[in-house]
Amino acid sequence: IAGITQAPTSQILAAGRRMTLRCTQDMRHNAMYWYRQDLGLGLRLIHYSNTAGTTGKGEVPDGYSVSRANTDDFPLTLASAVPSQTSVYFCASSDPKGWENTIYFGEGSWLTVV
Amino acid sequence: GESVGLHLPTLSVQEGDNSIINCAYSNSASDYFIWYKQESGKGPQFIIDIRSNMDKRQGQRVTVLLNKTVKHLSLQIAATQPGDSAVYFCADTTDSWGKLQFGAGTQVVVTP
Repeated sequence: IAGITQAPTSQILAAGRRMTLRCTQDMRHNAMYWYRQDLGLGLRLIHYSNTAGTTGKGEVPDGYSVSRANTDDFPLTLASAVPSQTSVYFCASSDPKGWENTIYFGEGSWLTVV
Repeated sequence: GESVGLHLPTLSVQEGDNSIINCAYSNSASDYFIWYKQESGKGPQFIIDIRSNMDKRQGQRVTVLLNKTVKHLSLQIAATQPGDSAVYFCADTTDSWGKLQFGAGTQVVVTP
């Protein structure tokens, strides 16, 4: 089944460690996104990429970095994890056509920083 | 900054009844709106979308209504089923590349 694959599905990480969340999509979508979801705050955009080779900052980019070397992959890196980065992370992708821009989400990566 | 918000955090609905989930937005420049459904432990699933030049759009058992005058969006679910129990999010964007601004979500609980 086509879609978005995230890894790992869950992880407990010591504060100060580096961590990369992986995201791969097989829909050949141009745009990809990383959101974090915290209780009571909904989903907040961390970083995005409109097309391979380009990235941009979202609402909450501090402490995170991304790269987009090709169309399919969009990894999210926490350079030095802190407890406030405990969250559920969702990767998403879309292929804007005209006014329609359906964004598809992965199943999430549950990260706990201790 | 401006954001999308939801009126009620929890909505209890009897099975078979219609559900109405409301959402207010404050950014008058928003031109594209989406409703998502999120079941426990899963990622958000697209339900239906609407553009600002439309008042109403229908899908299978769902209808989205947009009132631009009062900046209000609603999702109507007909004949609510137990499988409709989930958190529903509205989101908007002014960006053609879809950097969505999400509300906090409404928990819908379907009772027998």
